[in-house]
Amino acid sequence: GQNIDQPTEMTATEGAIVQINCTYQTSGFNGLFWYQQHAGEAPTFLSYNVLDGLEEKGRFSSFLSRSKGYSYLLLKELQMKDSASYLCAVRDSNYQLIWGAGTKLIIKP
Amino acid sequence: DAMVIQNPRYQVTQFGKPVTLSCSQTLNHNVMYWYQQKSSQAPKLLFHYYDKDFNNEADTPDNFQSRRPNTSFCFLDIRSPGLGDAAMYLCATSPEAAGGTDTQYFGPGTRLTVL
Repeated sequence: GQNIDQPTEMTATEGAIVQINCTYQTSGFNGLFWYQQHAGEAPTFLSYNVLDGLEEKGRFSSFLSRSKGYSYLLLKELQMKDSASYLCAVRDSNYQLIWGAGTKLIIKP
Repeated sequence: DAMVIQNPRYQVTQFGKPVTLSCSQTLNHNVMYWYQQKSSQAPKLLFHYYDKDFNNEADTPDNFQSRRPNTSFCFLDIRSPGLGDAAMYLCATSPEAAGGTDTQYFGPGTRLTVL
């Protein structure tokens, strides 16, 4: 079967750095996405990785290792508004998105 | 601004009473998706349209139907809602079903309550 694993919940301090990990087992790979979802709202696109390495976009970076089936999302200079769920999703060989259940990130002052 | 719109944002229905959720988009995207998301769970794809071609997920119950009368609009019909159908229903669009940084753009969702 296809599987995406992420920690259920993480806590971090305002101004700090946090890394959210995602491991996946899918039938084929055609890219990995990270989405942010605030409580009661729709997911919004954060990043996309299809090749190994680090993609940086402002305070957010995303890393991919295809050989290890592993990605992480790195959030720097955390702000209270970053409190949200972060969903990892992998596009499989059929170009279907397989979603993780998300990691709820709690930011404390 | 180009966007994905869902109406209503909150819908309350009674057990067994049919309900229709609507989605419209101004992005002119070919692909439209309907997801069901329950609290703290991954979005679950119900079906998607590639243009007018309807693609039903194998485990989507028959209770759920969809219509896409034109590029801009897509509807989710729940014929006989059960208590287990209470969830957030998300509509999303993408330019194409495959290739590139083909992101899905989500509407704000409709939260369905079944009494």
